[in-house]
Amino acid sequence: DIVMTQSPLSLSVTPGEPASISCKSNQSLLHTNAFNYLDWYLQKPGQSPQLLIYLASHRASGVPDRFSGGGSGTDFTLKISRVVPEDVGVYYCMQTVQIPLTFGGGTKVDIK
Amino acid sequence: EVQMLESGGGLVQPGGSLRLSCAVSEFSFSSYAMAWVRQAPGKGLEWVSAINDAGNNTYYATSVKGRFTISRDNSKNTVSLQMNSLRAEDTAVYYCAKGIVAAGNSPLAHWGQGILVTVSS
Repeated sequence: DIVMTQSPLSLSVTPGEPASISCKSNQSLLHTNAFNYLDWYLQKPGQSPQLLIYLASHRASGVPDRFSGGGSGTDFTLKISRVVPEDVGVYYCMQTVQIPLTFGGGTKVDIK
Repeated sequence: EVQMLESGGGLVQPGGSLRLSCAVSEFSFSSYAMAWVRQAPGKGLEWVSAINDAGNNTYYATSVKGRFTISRDNSKNTVSLQMNSLRAEDTAVYYCAKGIVAAGNSPLAHWGQGILVTVSS
């Protein structure tokens, strides 16, 4: 199984400031079709997860443009350009290049 | 807006069986993959199983392979997860999720509210 490692485990951010979360895999997520099979999810407190980014850099429908995803191969990053209070929760990366699909352990983001 | 409603959870003894179902209000249900993802109490997300749009390809996590079976009924807009030989470590909230494409490794854009499965004697 592909192992996904996120860092940091937690992040405390001042509103209006940027935030960045790293996700690393122990195998390349770059498919022969040139897409990186890496998705990002946010689980807000008490809620079900929601899709933010798919294929490493494509924002899902309705996701604010302050969220962006980047990276390739084994190293990926989720960036929030200016954090707002509604961004608190746990962020997960997930690889979808190989079955079984696997999630990272999560990064908890809260507001200072 | 897509509505997804899970049912069938509850308390079951170790070694027992349970069947989860998820009803989806989506006109094009048969065009998208479906999946189950679980979350043990206080823990992170764990992908469990997925099925492609037609239902002819199924996929499983290593931890449940051989014990769980995913299926779908495109005429009823439902997806099910038959869970056998349940263990204490299967205790979790189980989420039904809908993909954005047909393939089983689809990103999951719509999620149910989750249903609790507790395996305990």
